[in-house]
Amino acid sequence: LAKTTQPISMDSYEGQEVNITCSHNNIATNDYITWYQQFPSQGPRFIIQGYKTKVTNEVASLFIPADRKSSTLSLPRVSLSDTAVYYCLVGSRSGATNKLIFGTGTLLAVQP
Amino acid sequence: KAGVTQTPRYLIKTRGQQVTLSCSPISGHRSVSWYQQTPGQGLQFLFEYFSETQRNKGNFPGRFSGRQFSNSRSEMNVSTLELGDSALYLCASRGDSYGYTFGSGTRLTVV
Repeated sequence: LAKTTQPISMDSYEGQEVNITCSHNNIATNDYITWYQQFPSQGPRFIIQGYKTKVTNEVASLFIPADRKSSTLSLPRVSLSDTAVYYCLVGSRSGATNKLIFGTGTLLAVQP
Repeated sequence: KAGVTQTPRYLIKTRGQQVTLSCSPISGHRSVSWYQQTPGQGLQFLFEYFSETQRNKGNFPGRFSGRQFSNSRSEMNVSTLELGDSALYLCASRGDSYGYTFGSGTRLTVV
């Protein structure tokens, strides 16, 4: 599975848009990019997944450039409750690689 | 629909003992994975079960084992507990679509 690199931490204020970028230079052709959010003492929660270009759902957007060597998770108008660790993962959807390789994640701290 | 249920939520054990943790996946999900999370090592994959068969295994000693039942419920067992086994143990289930749903975990403390 491709290794990912994210910033260790980021700070933001309520109401701002936050963009977290993830590098995955060795992403394979069949790999998808998935982001998870984790609060302390809870399991990670699936946020969004994409393969190329742009994906948007009710909580976030995911931007993936043409070379797919990086991706950016965009959180619009963050609130205090968005303070959490965000993990970027890349991997195939095939059954043979049914395990998630988590990196260190990005600790997002939202301040009032 | 109900999420992934892990029991117990908290557990305290003594070194040398063994422990069994339980995970009930989302109804209809046949894949169950286990992860260990510690401050030092982060989230690490333990093993994955699909239709009662272990399909993938992480790099953990043989003291860590698991199984899955015909109703997809899964258990993991850790024998001869060590202090370093103190961690949050997470279970995740997956259905036909990609995207894992995690439980809230079992916080194991070994004293």
